Amino acid sequence: AQKVTQAQTEISVVEKEDVTLDCVYETRDTTYYLFWYKQPPSGELVFLIRRNSFDEQNEISGRYSWNFQKSTSSFNFTITASQVVDSAVYFCALSEFIQGAQKLVFGQGTRLTINP
Amino acid sequence: DAGVTQSPTHLIKTRGQQVTLRCSPKSGHDTVSWYQQALGQGPQFIFQYYEEEERQRGNFPDRFSGHQFPNYSSELNVNALLLGDSALYLCASSQIAVAETQYFGPGTRLLVL
Repeated sequence: AQKVTQAQTEISVVEKEDVTLDCVYETRDTTYYLFWYKQPPSGELVFLIRRNSFDEQNEISGRYSWNFQKSTSSFNFTITASQVVDSAVYFCALSEFIQGAQKLVFGQGTRLTINP
Repeated sequence: DAGVTQSPTHLIKTRGQQVTLRCSPKSGHDTVSWYQQALGQGPQFIFQYYEEEERQRGNFPDRFSGHQFPNYSSELNVNALLLGDSALYLCASSQIAVAETQYFGPGTRLLVL
């Protein structure tokens, strides 16, 4: 079965610091997809990125960057020059396909607090 | 372009009661998935609907049931509520194509007393 581990339960940093959120996954599938979502206090999960297992290129979007390494089964997320608005719970998720239906398997989440 | 909407936003029920939660998918999406998120946990998959049929189900009892309507909107029904059913219920919509991104609604917070 698929499994996602986010070992960091909570992280607290001061504004403008860089911060990396770790994600380690387990899967027997050769083709799979990885996701990161952000959950602010309002509760809605906001999609950040999707990565497929064949594309190991790192991606950068503004202050956000993602490092995908199949060799270590990791998909880490870095926020550069963090801001207070980045405070939220962040979830890493892995796709699981059963009979053509895709479900997401989520990690436990990392609560990120950016202090001014 | 409206995103995923859910109603109600909050709900308080007592043990043994029944509840119905509603979800309207994002425009252009035909697939709806439901997740339960207990406090401090990641979301857990309940089931997915496409073409008005349940395509896949997670590890949830039969007290949890659903429905999808011709306009792709969906309902989640929970019977015989237990205290442990208290959670945030999230609806996600997507297109049926493999590995399409699921977009989530704001959720319904259910409290069972």
